Amino acid sequence: ETGVTQTPRHLVMGMTNKKSLKCEQHLGHNAMYWYKQSAKKPLELMFVYSLEERVENNSVPSRFSPECPNSSHLFLHLHTLQPEDSALYLCASSQDLNRASGGRDTQYFGPGTRLTVL
Amino acid sequence: AQSVTQLDSHVSVSEGTPVLLRCNYSSSYSPSLFWYVQHPNKGLQLLLKYTSAATLVKGINGFEAEFKKSETSFHLTKPSAHMSDAAEYFCVVSDLGNNDMRFGAGTRLTVKP
Repeated sequence: ETGVTQTPRHLVMGMTNKKSLKCEQHLGHNAMYWYKQSAKKPLELMFVYSLEERVENNSVPSRFSPECPNSSHLFLHLHTLQPEDSALYLCASSQDLNRASGGRDTQYFGPGTRLTVL
Repeated sequence: AQSVTQLDSHVSVSEGTPVLLRCNYSSSYSPSLFWYVQHPNKGLQLLLKYTSAATLVKGINGFEAEFKKSETSFHLTKPSAHMSDAAEYFCVVSDLGNNDMRFGAGTRLTVKP
């Protein structure tokens, strides 16, 4: 394992349910990320947090609501999802958002939560 | 803005033969480049990264990649494939100028016995 854990690993929910995905990193990192991975599509960056503040929200529908209570934990709250939201949701962390010399810092990924919306 | 193209969606090799996964990038500034591997039902694992030091980068599990600025390429190679190398591989580029990251669509590597 990479030091980034995600629970649950699998989740099946109806469109009217409310559920939450949890991510925890044990690496002492300051930045955390949510990605969506759908079949036959590149990874889509959803949210970015740095030092517990949201710094990016890439046009994600409001039925996805992130929460970062501290630098080690990141949640993704789900509400009234659609079947097309079924995907693998990946959490990642990095030491800092950007490297001192420029560019994004190296990201380390969790195993993902496989979400199926019925 | 930067972008990355993985030239093959699927590569199939026999065990013990060389692996070549191709990646081309475009970048306005000096890029950082990464290769990640994803095994079935697992997250992405960092294989190696280039961050403007040596152009030939060695990673885990015997993989290496060479940064070629003139060809805007960062191809991933391994001299001898192992069955456990079967997975999806992602090339990623990050511009030093705008702090964005772009993932390629992925290349699925199959290793035949």
